[in-house]
Amino acid sequence: GQQVMQIPQYQHVQEGEDFTTYCNSSTTLSNIQWYKQRPGGHPVFLIQLVKSGEVKKQKRLTFQFGEAKKNSSLHITATQTTDVGTYFCAGNTGKLIFGQGTTLQVKP
Amino acid sequence: DTAVSQTPKYLVTQMGNDKSIKCEQNLGHDTMYWYKQDSKKFLKIMFSYNNKELIINETVPNRFSPKSPDKAHLNLHINSLELGDSAVYFCASSPWGQGEKKTQYFGPGTRLLVL
Repeated sequence: GQQVMQIPQYQHVQEGEDFTTYCNSSTTLSNIQWYKQRPGGHPVFLIQLVKSGEVKKQKRLTFQFGEAKKNSSLHITATQTTDVGTYFCAGNTGKLIFGQGTTLQVKP
Repeated sequence: DTAVSQTPKYLVTQMGNDKSIKCEQNLGHDTMYWYKQDSKKFLKIMFSYNNKELIINETVPNRFSPKSPDKAHLNLHINSLELGDSAVYFCASSPWGQGEKKTQYFGPGTRLLVL
């Protein structure tokens, strides 16, 4: 069946270091969404990428959608303790399929 | 004003019991969902309703029965609870359609613990 794989599952970084999570789909996606879930909270929509090769930025967060529309990445520059949480990609193939999530911990 | 609300927030119950979780959204969305999140944070879709009609029913035991009395409400009833049902259950809603309109708005979650 359709799958969306996300790596790594966990990442521990020192505050100020960069962080990247990667998402790969077994099928071509119409678009991809990213969500953030704070500890004890619920997933919150961050952004959607639609076009092949699209790059979007939100302050220190950079989102990319691959040329083949099968992979995506989220890069955080100079992490802060407020970035702690689990980041999910969700690929849209007509229905939304969530990746397994990457849990980020930031040491102050 | 809470966009997607769920009750209860916490639910602790014994194995074999029957319980219900309620969800309401005031966003005017046509589509509502139930997700199960396990201890490893994996978010798995269970059901999706569009305008009170079931459109997605993933491989879920038939002990789980969703009910949508109207498009603003989607409840989840669970019969004969098992230990493995312990998880966080999220309700979500989205507008009907493709693209941007598929953005999911999640409720705060119901933390279910089966003893």
